[in-house]
Amino acid sequence: DAKTTQPPSMDCAEGRAANLPCNHSTISGNEYVYWYRQIHSQGPQYIIHGLKNNETNEMASLIITEDRKSSTLILPHATLRDTAVYYCIVTGGSQGNLIFGKGTKLSVKP
Amino acid sequence: DTAVSQTPKYLVTQMGNDKSIKCEQNLGHDTMYWYKQDSKKFLKIMFSYNNKELIINETVPNRFSPKSPDKAHLNLHINSLELGDSAVYFCASSQSGARGKGETQYFGPGTRLLVL
Repeated sequence: DAKTTQPPSMDCAEGRAANLPCNHSTISGNEYVYWYRQIHSQGPQYIIHGLKNNETNEMASLIITEDRKSSTLILPHATLRDTAVYYCIVTGGSQGNLIFGKGTKLSVKP
Repeated sequence: DTAVSQTPKYLVTQMGNDKSIKCEQNLGHDTMYWYKQDSKKFLKIMFSYNNKELIINETVPNRFSPKSPDKAHLNLHINSLELGDSAVYFCASSQSGARGKGETQYFGPGTRLLVL
């Protein structure tokens, strides 16, 4: 089973920041938080990951709370092309596979 | 060039047939995976191979057999196809599949299998 909890859906206005929350209260000290997204009918796409510190790349920012029990993915200026299902995944255990939950369906609206 | 490619993109076949799906990655990665996404959109790991050796084999019917001729290829052969095998199958790869360490996986575009 997935070790994360996410809201099933969210809306965001085009051009505004999209903040996607994720709870992972049972995360272990050596586990990473990964974010992927799946745009309709395509393969999942890597977005960003982190262990303890906040991270930023060209796609998004990842804010991890100090106790590491939750995180937020931030898309700073959402566009219509960001409409997708976003998956928050905790990984780094005994095997390298990803355990996907139900994710958050983000709808970016004009 | 596509990093992770799959063929075919679509596959429609009759129940009872045997079919194969091919996957190739040109990233120089050591580990490859097969995932299944069912009609409810749940993505689940099926298999993973590291340097041509099986390292993950989740509870999948033995009608499904992965084959890795070299570390750049991981094919999925399915015998005696059933209606419930209809799904989208995704191949993925990662650099080393290292245990105890998070690692980015790169996914292919998927193969949409429909069993009639």
